[in-house]
Amino acid sequence: GIQVEQSPPDLILQEGANSTLRCNFSDSVNNLQWFHQNPWGQLINLFYIPSGTKQNGRLSATTVATERYSLLYISSSQTTDSGVYFCAVEETSGSRLTFGEGTQLTVNP
Amino acid sequence: NAGVMQNPRHLVRRRGQEARLRCSPMKGHSHVYWYRQLPEEGLKFMVYLQKENIIDESGMPKERFSAEFPKEGPSILRIQQVVRGDSAAYFCASSPGLQTDTQYFGPGTRLTVL
Repeated sequence: GIQVEQSPPDLILQEGANSTLRCNFSDSVNNLQWFHQNPWGQLINLFYIPSGTKQNGRLSATTVATERYSLLYISSSQTTDSGVYFCAVEETSGSRLTFGEGTQLTVNP
Repeated sequence: NAGVMQNPRHLVRRRGQEARLRCSPMKGHSHVYWYRQLPEEGLKFMVYLQKENIIDESGMPKERFSAEFPKEGPSILRIQQVVRGDSAAYFCASSPGLQTDTQYFGPGTRLTVL
């Protein structure tokens, strides 16, 4: 099956800093989603981005499908950005999402 | 439009009991997916269902686990004779069934087996 690798595994920032999270995947995909799992365990959809670039407030994402990677940018980070960020991909052969292991982000005040 | 709903949010069972987890998809969504998140791990696919059909159950353990999505009512994930290793968060997601779908996730059910 498809492999999904996220980096870095852990990231600690001071409030106001910017960060870039990376997701590499091993095969062609139909779908790529970024999620934020907050400290209460809820999964929040951030982006549906199989290719191209999207922006939503302080967050933006870029997927380069031909090179099999996606980047999530967080600007001017806030303490509420803390949590785990997951990248998940859907293989061209099916509908299931395969998740990476996540990036644990801690934003300190 | 209400999001994906799951209940109960927390479930405690003793070893050997049965656990039933329910998922109501978003309005207009006919595809349901179940994922499991073990402590300190990412989410793993379990099963994909459409109304009255199991499309892909390749991620589901062969024994004790079953899932259904009846014509009427929520999708049910059933775990028989639970063991401590079943303790996890179980997430349900739904999509409208179009070719390019976003999967929307529910809040999850946290199962604890004593």
